[in-house]
Amino acid sequence: DVKVTQSSRYLVKRTGEKVFLECVQDMDHENMFWYRQDPGLGLRLIYFSYDVKMKEKGDIPEGYSVSREKKERFSLILESASTNQTSMYLCASSPDRNYGYTFGSGTRLTVV
Amino acid sequence: QKEVEQNSGPLSVPEGAIASLNCTYSDRGSQSFFWYRQYSGKSPELIMSIYSNGDKEDGRFTAQLNKASQYVSLLIRDSQPSDSATYLCAVSPIKAAGNKLTFGGGTRVLVKP
Repeated sequence: DVKVTQSSRYLVKRTGEKVFLECVQDMDHENMFWYRQDPGLGLRLIYFSYDVKMKEKGDIPEGYSVSREKKERFSLILESASTNQTSMYLCASSPDRNYGYTFGSGTRLTVV
Repeated sequence: QKEVEQNSGPLSVPEGAIASLNCTYSDRGSQSFFWYRQYSGKSPELIMSIYSNGDKEDGRFTAQLNKASQYVSLLIRDSQPSDSATYLCAVSPIKAAGNKLTFGGGTRVLVKP
């Protein structure tokens, strides 16, 4: 089975800190995605990548950046964490549009 | 109009009954359709995929696709309390850049013993 691993299950960070969320997949998938999920707002796409060193903005990229130096790893960076970035962050990967996504277990980030 | 719409629920179903979930989408050129199950506090898990009109069955789950009417549905037969979760419909629009899926807001299902 495809495994998507997110480095932390829970994180607590202070306002203004630079935060790194790591995601690694083990099935050589081309496409990787970062979402955040908030009650009542559903899944919102932050950034995605369809190849190494390639990235595309999603629906809510403000305040975030990403890095994909290797195919298996896709990192989400909060440049200066703010309380409104408190959320569940979900990483996903996919070989192509016909296979759907496999999600990681999620990182619940709290910014205080 | 949202690209993918689902009734948020909750859909309350007695144990052993059939739960019927619906999803409509706006992009007529959409090619691939998925159902995810998400338990509270957990990440979404893919349970069904469907690509052509008609029914697709997998265990107690049946996905139904009608491209002409632009809807996809999920039936859960013999519902169990363990089926209580939020079910997300996802669609692969033809116009989407890369391989993005568009997700509905989810339907919360409660199966009562």
